[in-house]
Amino acid sequence: QKEVEQDPGPLSVPEGAIVSLNCTYSNSAFQYFMWYRQYSRKGPELLMYTYSSGNKEDGRFTAQVDKSSKYISLFIRDSQPSDSATYLCAMRETSGSRLTFGEGTQLTVNP
Amino acid sequence: GAVVSQHPSWVICKSGTSVKIECRSLDFQATTMFWYRQFPKQSLMLMATSNEGSKATYEQGVEKDKFLINHASLTLSTLTVTSAHPEDSSFYICSASSPRQIRGNTIYFGEGSWLTVV
Repeated sequence: QKEVEQDPGPLSVPEGAIVSLNCTYSNSAFQYFMWYRQYSRKGPELLMYTYSSGNKEDGRFTAQVDKSSKYISLFIRDSQPSDSATYLCAMRETSGSRLTFGEGTQLTVNP
Repeated sequence: GAVVSQHPSWVICKSGTSVKIECRSLDFQATTMFWYRQFPKQSLMLMATSNEGSKATYEQGVEKDKFLINHASLTLSTLTVTSAHPEDSSFYICSASSPRQIRGNTIYFGEGSWLTVV
């Protein structure tokens, strides 16, 4: 079993839709949770970084962490064609340790 | 703007030659940098952890003599692909962990480097 499971998609939605991206994990030692966006042929770009359970909002993006269920989500409101990319969840145990990634979800927002 | 810079963005080299890729943290000192390899439509595969002033820690299955990593300063790590072969063609990405007091101890990635070995 993988430490981090992420629905690979692909996911296709119309412009303006609310998008929900999810990851589950099995390692209870994970304490730091991140979401990255990766456009084709580019390096990952940090979108959200959370530590505690609960919600964190930044513009159209909301990151949700539920440590008791070992479940994290990224919500995108009012999705735009420019949001079309691969989204990677990532997590790590301590502040200096390596990241463990999900497989990535490919999102397409259709105009 | 970018906080981690990677160079070159793409490179084509002949089989048997060596190629060096640089990774720089632009506005913080990074004691730890990471090197990844990514194949099309796949997630990132960690190759090695680069620690400033010490030897890199390689993941299982990664040839340390093939992929030389040097972290000579707190802002620069280099990956050298030695005696490159076509199967080494891939997207190589570095990342750096920022200190807690700067940018909240998060990990930032470079733009990636496309290597094509012909």
